[in-house]
Amino acid sequence: ETGVTQTPRHLVMGMTNKKSLKCEQHLGHNAMYWYKQSAKKPLELMFVYNFKEQTENNSVPSRFSPECPNSSHLFLHLHTLQPEDSALYLCASSQASRDYNEQFFGPGTRLTVL
Amino acid sequence: GQQLNQSPQSMFIQEGEDVSMNCTSSSIFNTWLWYKQDPGEGPVLLIALYKAGELTSNGRLTAQFGITRKDSFLNISASIPSDVGIYFCAGISSGSARQLTFGSGTQLTVLP
Repeated sequence: ETGVTQTPRHLVMGMTNKKSLKCEQHLGHNAMYWYKQSAKKPLELMFVYNFKEQTENNSVPSRFSPECPNSSHLFLHLHTLQPEDSALYLCASSQASRDYNEQFFGPGTRLTVL
Repeated sequence: GQQLNQSPQSMFIQEGEDVSMNCTSSSIFNTWLWYKQDPGEGPVLLIALYKAGELTSNGRLTAQFGITRKDSFLNISASIPSDVGIYFCAGISSGSARQLTFGSGTQLTVLP
């Protein structure tokens, strides 16, 4: 248990569906992240939020829409996804004000797009 | 962008053997982190290194921050079956707004 929870753990959706992934951290951190993990590839940073403000968007397609209502919660809204979007989506959090940026990860959501 | 070269990609070892893996980069990093990921789970932080030359242990795990600040290695001594998983290195450079750059991982299999 790392203090970062993600729901759902598994999600199967069609290309026309709309769904949302949820992340919650119980560590008192103020930065949260979304990563995509595909087979045989390094983790890809998607979005960064510091103090609820989005500070990084790594050229992610608009069919992925993040939302950070407060520093403990992070959502990833999904719509009209493609089969190549199937992957493990990981949420992480850290204390952004520290000089050192150890990030703590949730267990991930395994997404399959049919 | 920055890249980390992690090797080996995979290892098959006998229980009880020692293991070594490393990460190298053409860029200088200020922090090195080592994570382990079990199947179906997120990465778990094992060791964090903050200074060039630093050697840090966590149980049977030992990691070092290279003197050139462009590499790091992780050693696991006397491996056991629960060491199975994917090990990732990650680095933070001064010019990256404190974001992590990840290696591609080392898949470790421990044979009984």
